[in-house]
Amino acid sequence: AQTVTQSQPEMSVQEAETVTLSCTYDTSESNYYLFWYKQPPSRQMILVIRQEAYKQQNATENRFSVNFQKAAKSFSLKISDSQLGDTAMYFCAFRPNTGNQFYFGTGTSLTVIP
Amino acid sequence: DAGITQSPRHKVTETGTPVTLRCHQTENHRYMYWYRQDPGHGLRLIHYSYGVKDTDKGEVSDGYSVSRSKTEDFLLTLESATSSQTSVYFCAISERTGDNSPLHFGNGTRLTVT
Repeated sequence: AQTVTQSQPEMSVQEAETVTLSCTYDTSESNYYLFWYKQPPSRQMILVIRQEAYKQQNATENRFSVNFQKAAKSFSLKISDSQLGDTAMYFCAFRPNTGNQFYFGTGTSLTVIP
Repeated sequence: DAGITQSPRHKVTETGTPVTLRCHQTENHRYMYWYRQDPGHGLRLIHYSYGVKDTDKGEVSDGYSVSRSKTEDFLLTLESATSSQTSVYFCAISERTGDNSPLHFGNGTRLTVT
């Protein structure tokens, strides 16, 4: 079975500071894909960043980057220079290379404090 | 933004009544999914479809059925709604499997069963 764990239900960060959200997963697959989604109060689900397990280089999208540790099955999201618009629920997701399903964590609610 | 429309946006219904939620996509993506979002549970897969008339169950499929008669439409039916089905329901689509194709989400339907 594939499971995704986000151990931080809530976090806060001062504006312009850096914050890291943690995500771990459990799988027996050797190849898979990892995603972070953002859900602001509007309820819309927005893709933030994605990572292929076969790539050693960590993905980066502007202020968002990941720390992917395959051996530890860890996929954390770092947000630099936090902005008020980053206030949202963040979900980590896992997709095995085989099969059609995506598996989600329970989410981390991030609040950026002015 | 991916062309995904969910209807209705909000619905209040009584216990025991049937309810159908509709998802319509204009992207011609093969894969379509129904998730429910509940506090503390993240997103959980109800059913998904991998082609016209091809569907499979997710982890929380009891009490739900789906149909996909056309590529663009994926219907979720609650045959006899219960209070435990009060939730936010998201439709999502994906173009392919076996690579880093992400899920694209609709804006969600908030369903309240009284």
